[in-house]
Amino acid sequence: EVQLVESGGGVVQPGGSLRLSCAASGFTFDDYAMHWVRQAPGKGLEWVSLISGDGGSTYYADSVKGRFTISRDNSKNSLYLQMNSLRTEDTALYYCAKDIGLFTIDYWGQGTLVTVSS
Amino acid sequence: EIVLTQSPGTLSLSPGERATLSCRASQSVSSSYLAWYQQKPGQAPRLLIYGASSRATGIPDRFSGSGSGTDFTLTISRLEPEDFAVYYCQQYGSSPGITFGQGTRLEIK
Repeated sequence: EVQLVESGGGVVQPGGSLRLSCAASGFTFDDYAMHWVRQAPGKGLEWVSLISGDGGSTYYADSVKGRFTISRDNSKNSLYLQMNSLRTEDTALYYCAKDIGLFTIDYWGQGTLVTVSS
Repeated sequence: EIVLTQSPGTLSLSPGERATLSCRASQSVSSSYLAWYQQKPGQAPRLLIYGASSRATGIPDRFSGSGSGTDFTLTISRLEPEDFAVYYCQQYGSSPGITFGQGTRLEIK
């Protein structure tokens, strides 16, 4: 059974940093690209970032480019999102998600909440 | 960036009725990269349809997807009580640009 468990969310001041983690199990982790997708309270889904299975290619939404960094440790079956220069508009539930190979997500975690507030 | 516009914003129907949800893209989208998701309150989204028309594992056959180019449709043939939720389309384009539509809320009439 595929499981994705996010952690690392919390409350941070504008301009601050936070690192999200996602522990994956139930599939061959390095065979699949992984995503971060976020959802602001009461709003729709927003794609944040994507990393290839070997970690060699990364992609970002324009809204986070230059501030967020996606990475993975295939030896630990783990995905990460380093978030710097956080803004109030980054407040959201952040989902870790697995790609099926078509830039399409077939499994999602339950999310970790990030609140950026002074 | 390709913008996806879903319509209607809210759809009010009764169980047993047919639901037709639309997703229109600002530029042509490869059918291989068009997906639909269902999200219920307090839950993560669930993949329904990928490649515009292929049902994901475990998805009932009352859900179907169709379309090409800039116009795509999700059809639910006979609504069950558990189908009332928010539905999102999603596409992958160049860059890569992965974008979601703003969602259609399917509510019980």
